[in-house]
Amino acid sequence: EDQVTQSPEALRLQEGESSSLNCSYTVSGLRGLFWYRQDPGKGPEFLFTLYSAGEEKEKERLKATLTKKESFLHITAPKPEDSATYLCAVRGNSGYSTLTFGKGTMLLVSP
Amino acid sequence: EAGVTQFPSHSVIEKGQTVTLRCDPISGHDNLYWYRRVMGKEIKFLLHFVKESKQDESGMPNNRFLAERTGGTYSTLKVQPAELEDSGVYFCASSQSVATNEKLFFGSGTQLSVL
Repeated sequence: EDQVTQSPEALRLQEGESSSLNCSYTVSGLRGLFWYRQDPGKGPEFLFTLYSAGEEKEKERLKATLTKKESFLHITAPKPEDSATYLCAVRGNSGYSTLTFGKGTMLLVSP
Repeated sequence: EAGVTQFPSHSVIEKGQTVTLRCDPISGHDNLYWYRRVMGKEIKFLLHFVKESKQDESGMPNNRFLAERTGGTYSTLKVQPAELEDSGVYFCASSQSVATNEKLFFGSGTQLSVL
């Protein structure tokens, strides 16, 4: 069974204070690791897909990296508008349709 | 471009009643998914439609849940009769085609409270 564990559960940063969120996973045949952002009262919003170890993707202040066991979402010089819950999910060979999500990391960036 | 639309945004019902949730995917998206988040838990897969056919319904909790997608457009998820443990946020998502099904577009969800 695919599993995703995210840490920390919550993170409070000052504006400009860089940090990283962790996503550890176990999956039978990784077909994709996904990062989503979720704002209160909204559905998850797609950020990145990573497919193989060593891959990196960037979008504005966010950079996602992938190893064989975990993924990191690096946030450089965050701003208050980066405050949200960040979700990690995997798709493996066992479920063609299924995304297995972690519980998420709630990020609060204070001005 | 309109996003995925879900209705209602909130529903409060009593145990034993019936509730029907509706999802309108992005126009032209063949793939439609239902997910659910129970309080304190992670978002979990319920089922996947490709057009009007159920591709995978392995996540459906039990036979009190019935999903339909007549005509391959909008979908409904009916819970009958509702139980307390059915409370949670039900998300619908869609994607353009099987080949590009990685990027899912989610709706804002329906918050279901069963009292």
